Amino acid sequence: AQKVTQAQTEISVVEKEDVTLDCVYETRDTTYYLFWYKQPPSGELVFLIRRNSFDEQNEISGRYSWNFQKSTSSFNFTITASQVVDSAVYFCALSPPMEYGNKLVFGAGTILRVKS
Amino acid sequence: GAVVSQHPSWVICKSGTSVKIECRSLDFQATTMFWYRQFPKQSLMLMATSNEGSKATYEQGVEKDKFLINHASLTLSTLTVTSAHPEDSSFYICSAITGTSVSYEQYFGPGTRLTVT
Repeated sequence: AQKVTQAQTEISVVEKEDVTLDCVYETRDTTYYLFWYKQPPSGELVFLIRRNSFDEQNEISGRYSWNFQKSTSSFNFTITASQVVDSAVYFCALSPPMEYGNKLVFGAGTILRVKS
Repeated sequence: GAVVSQHPSWVICKSGTSVKIECRSLDFQATTMFWYRQFPKQSLMLMATSNEGSKATYEQGVEKDKFLINHASLTLSTLTVTSAHPEDSSFYICSAITGTSVSYEQYFGPGTRLTVT
């Protein structure tokens, strides 16, 4: 069975602070995909990143960075110099290999509140 | 990027009535679409996988007779909530897959907020 755990229910930071959102996953597949999505108050999911299990390189995109560590089954997301517009719910998700469908298993989500 | 639309964006209906929600891939063909449900302040839960031209595959615990899914074309999947009750009030989100087994993308619709009174 696949499972995604986002232990942080809610995080509040002050603008310009760095913040890391944790994601721990469980799967028996050797090939899988990990995702992060942002859900602002409007409700629409915004795709942030997809990483396959064979690519452990960390990624940086502007103020966003991701740290993937298979040894600890973690895929953490860091926002540098947070801004009020970053306030949203962030979901980490896991998907099995393509041949088993692309069903996403979502974590419970982390509410991020960035105060000015 | 590719666009997935949902209609309506929100709907209020009376208990006992049926509601149809459409999910369209606007600029690509999607052999597979997914339907998710999200209760307030909760995560997204997969309800069913919708494949064009075949019956939908429902997740465990989802009533197939209550949530009717039809994927009649490569650009349209519909979810009908039959005999809706207040506990069916939720945010319903669809997604569509495009690409190959080697390289694919999944795009989400904006969601439909259903309120049953």
